[in-house]
Amino acid sequence: GAGVSQSPSNKVTEKGKDVELRCDPISGHTALYWYRQSLGQGLEFLIYFQGNSAPDKSGLPSDRFSAERTGGSVSTLTIQRTQQEDSAVYLCASSANREGGTDTQYFGPGTRLTVL
Amino acid sequence: GNSVTQMEGPVTLSEEAFLTINCTYTATGYPSLFWYVQYPGEGLQLLLKATKADDKGSNKGFEATYRKETTSFHLEKGSVQVSDSAVYFCALLLMDSSYKLIFGSGTRLLVRP
Repeated sequence: GAGVSQSPSNKVTEKGKDVELRCDPISGHTALYWYRQSLGQGLEFLIYFQGNSAPDKSGLPSDRFSAERTGGSVSTLTIQRTQQEDSAVYLCASSANREGGTDTQYFGPGTRLTVL
Repeated sequence: GNSVTQMEGPVTLSEEAFLTINCTYTATGYPSLFWYVQYPGEGLQLLLKATKADDKGSNKGFEATYRKETTSFHLEKGSVQVSDSAVYFCALLLMDSSYKLIFGSGTRLLVRP
């Protein structure tokens, strides 16, 4: 079946502009995650959605970052007033998160964001 | 806090050599442990996992054993191939922590013919 998809695959923007990154999880997966992969910080957790519960936003680096998940499926990560240090690959993952919580997280191909 | 430490790369080996990539962890709870792999130009893929002490995860000839006494999850393969060249990430997951993965810094493996 279809995996996790993300769009766009690449995004180049100017400092100070807002960007939106989209994630389509695997159908039926209730859990959705955003991570960031950058040279300086490695792979970092950003935010976690599980069903209709309030998201865990503890990994968001600043209040310029926000995310939403509509209808329990598609998610959008928004970065306002982008800065050069926001340049990274933004990864989305989803999992079934059945009882036990150790279900595999499946990753999308990522969106490479470059802030000039 | 919770963290994962991996050996620094790059690791360069000749084809058919034995591979070990060390991974140790610090966790406040009882984590599940994972190895993910990122091939050139591709996304992160789960390679193997173990959810409790003494479990051995295995896939594609790779193995790792969950050692609680040494808080380790070292990745091994008896005979590497050129196609194994990739970046390998060790990670832990705690069920009391939003099920988020905490990753090591990654180890790049280069296998030469």
